[in-house]
Formats: sequence, C-alpha cells, structure tokens
Amino acid sequence: EIVMTQSPATLSASPGDRVTLSCRASQSVSSNLAWYQQKIGQAPTLLIYDASTRVPAIPARFSGSGSGTEFILTISSLQSEDFAVYYCQQYDTWPPALTFGGGTRIEIK
Amino acid sequence: EVQLLKSGGGLVQPGGSLRLSCAASGITFSRYAMTWVRQAPGKGLEWVSSISGSGVIAYYADSVKGRFTVSRYNSKNTLSLQMNSLRGEDTAIYYCARSISSQPSASYYLDSWGQGALVTVSS
Repeated sequence: EIVMTQSPATLSASPGDRVTLSCRASQSVSSNLAWYQQKIGQAPTLLIYDASTRVPAIPARFSGSGSGTEFILTISSLQSEDFAVYYCQQYDTWPPALTFGGGTRIEIK
Repeated sequence: EVQLLKSGGGLVQPGGSLRLSCAASGITFSRYAMTWVRQAPGKGLEWVSSISGSGVIAYYADSVKGRFTVSRYNSKNTLSLQMNSLRGEDTAIYYCARSISSQPSASYYLDSWGQGALVTVSS
C-alpha cells in the first residue's frame, strides 16, 4: 500500500496569506495525485488532478505542483472560504487501491 | 451538473447488514466507474470500493473484502453498496463518487461526490 503523508496537520493562517501544503508518497506515484477540499459537514470537492491540473471551476489562487513522491498545494492568497481541510490522494496503483493523506486543516490565525 | 443522491444509512447492530444506494443524474452513468469512500467520525478519508462502468469488475479495500459488495444498475443510474457482517469500525459517513481515470495505467480520482450517508454500527 502506498502511504500518503501530509504536513503540517494544522496550519494557522490569515486571510491574504500565501500557504503551501505538503503531501509525500511512500513510493513514486508519478503525477497521479489529486487534491480535495472538505468543509465542515460537506463532501470533499476536487481541486487539482494529475498533480497540477486545476478543475475549471476552482479559483486560480489554487495551484498544484510536484511529481514522484513530493507534492505541493499552494493557495496564493487565502480567502475566508478557504479555511477547510485539504486531502491529497494517489491513484497510481492498478488495480485500484486509492489512498489518501491524513489531511491538513487550515484554521484562522 | 452531476448529482449523486444517497439513500440508506442509519443505525445497525454489530453483525448486521445495511444497503446504501446512490442515484446519479446529469451524466451518462454507464460511462463512468464509481467509487465508495468513507470517513469515520473526526477522521480522514478511506477508500472502500470501486466498480467499473459496466459493473463487470469491482475492487475492494482489504478492510471490507468479503463483507461488502458493490453493484450498479446502469438502466436505473444507480450504484449500491451491500454491507454485511458490520463492525464498529465500519461506523462512518459513506460517500459515492464519480471516478475518472486520466491514464490507462492509473486508477481513479474522484471528480463529483454525493452527500454523505451516516452508518452507525452499535449495540
């Protein structure tokens, strides 16, 4: 099983801040990595897939980078609606054995 | 817009059974693999099962293999998860999600999620 590790677990930030979230895979997943945002009481929402491709409806302040085992999600200027939990997920394995990171919670500083 | 509407869920005793359903609209359902993901209270996301668009092939996490069965009824745009021999650790919110494969050798990312259905296993 590919283990996904996210850091930090919690990040305190202020509106307008630039934040970076890290996701590390226990072995290479190529660019087969997605990022999701989950707000309290809601289902996750896909933000980024293929490590760096942003879903069209997602604001441009969200960007993803990385390949292999190291990945970054950047929010260029944090907005109030961005305070949420963010998960990475690898989909490199076949047959499917999707694995998620433990999440990074962005909280208001 | 894809809509995935859940039904099922609730309280069940350990060892009991429950069936979840997910009705899709706004998509050509049979074109897409579908996936179940669960989230224990206050915890992260865990993959449970995926099924191919035709329904011929299904995959399961080790934690549910032999106890859960995923199926789909493309004529009714419906996905189901039959859960047997339920345990306390199966207590979670269960989500269905449309599954996209961007490369032949890769599995799925999940681009549309239904609202969650809470399953509580307790005596």
